[in-house]
Amino acid sequence: SAVISQKPSRDICQRGTSLTIQCQVDSQVTMMFWYRQQPGQSLTLIATANQGSEATYESGFVIDKFPISRPNLTFSTLTVSNMSPEDSSIYLCSATGTGVSYEQYFGPGTRLTVT
Amino acid sequence: DQQVKQNSPSLSVQEGRISILNCDYTNSMFDYFLWYKKYPAEGPTFLISISSIKDKNEDGRFTVFLNKSAKHLSLHIVPSQPGDSAVYFCAATYNTDKLIFGTGTRLQVFP
Repeated sequence: SAVISQKPSRDICQRGTSLTIQCQVDSQVTMMFWYRQQPGQSLTLIATANQGSEATYESGFVIDKFPISRPNLTFSTLTVSNMSPEDSSIYLCSATGTGVSYEQYFGPGTRLTVT
Repeated sequence: DQQVKQNSPSLSVQEGRISILNCDYTNSMFDYFLWYKKYPAEGPTFLISISSIKDKNEDGRFTVFLNKSAKHLSLHIVPSQPGDSAVYFCAATYNTDKLIFGTGTRLQVFP
């Protein structure tokens, strides 16, 4: 399995500002993903981070709000732009391991609070 | 439209007994199902998975059963231990790497 780290682990931000979350994997992986878990809710896929090209966003998520970078096979960033209190969530990075491609491994998450 | 549903938000089980967590899905195209466990302040941890061509997969204390005709899967934990207390998510996918998660069931195992 892949070991995934995220920075920061938590942050409190003011409305209208932006936060960039970093995700580092300990080995080269094919697929990386970003999820959001709002309070009391399930995990919702924001986008697939594609290495060397634009991310693929799910319905309801747009690049202007959640720009994503993936410069190589082990690193990705998610920016939450122009934040509002509704963006308060846990943001999680995941990656597929070297085994079965459907088995994703998750980072510890970034708990974001927007005031 | 919630394609993967966990209708029980919580479950309480005595230590040593069996825990059964249930999950229903609506999309018959799903071809792979997974269970994750999540502790507070941590990311989900992969537990066990099953392909749609199987009806059972076992790994130690954890067994997943799949009933395709009923579009239902369940996770059995035997025997349950206090360390199993967590939120459990089922997830499904079809011909893709994208996972669709259920809403989770909080399991509490008491002594």
